Amino acid sequence: GENVEQHPSTLSVQEGDSAVIKCTYSDSASNYFPWYKQELGKRPQLIIDIRSNVGEKKDQRIAVTLNKTAKHFSLHITETQPEDSAVYFCAASITGNQFYFGTGTSLTVIP
Amino acid sequence: DTAVSQTPKYLVTQMGNDKSIKCEQNLGHDTMYWYKQDSKKFLKIMFSYNNKELIINETVPNRFSPKSPDKAHLNLHINSLELGDSAVYFCASSPSGVDTQYFGPGTRLTVL
Repeated sequence: GENVEQHPSTLSVQEGDSAVIKCTYSDSASNYFPWYKQELGKRPQLIIDIRSNVGEKKDQRIAVTLNKTAKHFSLHITETQPEDSAVYFCAASITGNQFYFGTGTSLTVIP
Repeated sequence: DTAVSQTPKYLVTQMGNDKSIKCEQNLGHDTMYWYKQDSKKFLKIMFSYNNKELIINETVPNRFSPKSPDKAHLNLHINSLELGDSAVYFCASSPSGVDTQYFGPGTRLTVL
């Protein structure tokens, strides 16, 4: 089955700096890659997603890039704010019936 | 914010008991899921249901049984609870196919 690896496991940045989280996947048939943000004690919430026919997608301060050849995708957060502090999960899916999640990155934005 | 709801929010029980967690979605989605998030925050899919048919069962012990009375509900029944079952269980739903998942608020299960 699919194997998704996520790095780093923890990340601290100064407010206003950029943060980058990277994920790799093993199954070249994966075609949907969502990113979720989970605040402490809350549910995971989708922040951005990308499909395999697109190389990059941006939504305000958040962007995701996908390299299908290398089988990796990354989350980029610019101009970080304290409210960006949370655990971020990447995931990969082939059919929509099975989602494989990364192990999470705990992001801390230092004011 | 009540698009996907779960009850109860907290569940504390003794080893060996049987318990159920209920999930309802009012989004009209075709696919529903159950996830387990352990103490290390790992999110692992347990089941997915599409139009009341179980599609994937990720090597979950048969003590866990999903039950879907209709497209809007996917309940999780757990028999003979064990200490290792302690976790947060999330229900989620998505439109059919590869698409965004919407998670419920989670149920924190503690087995004593």
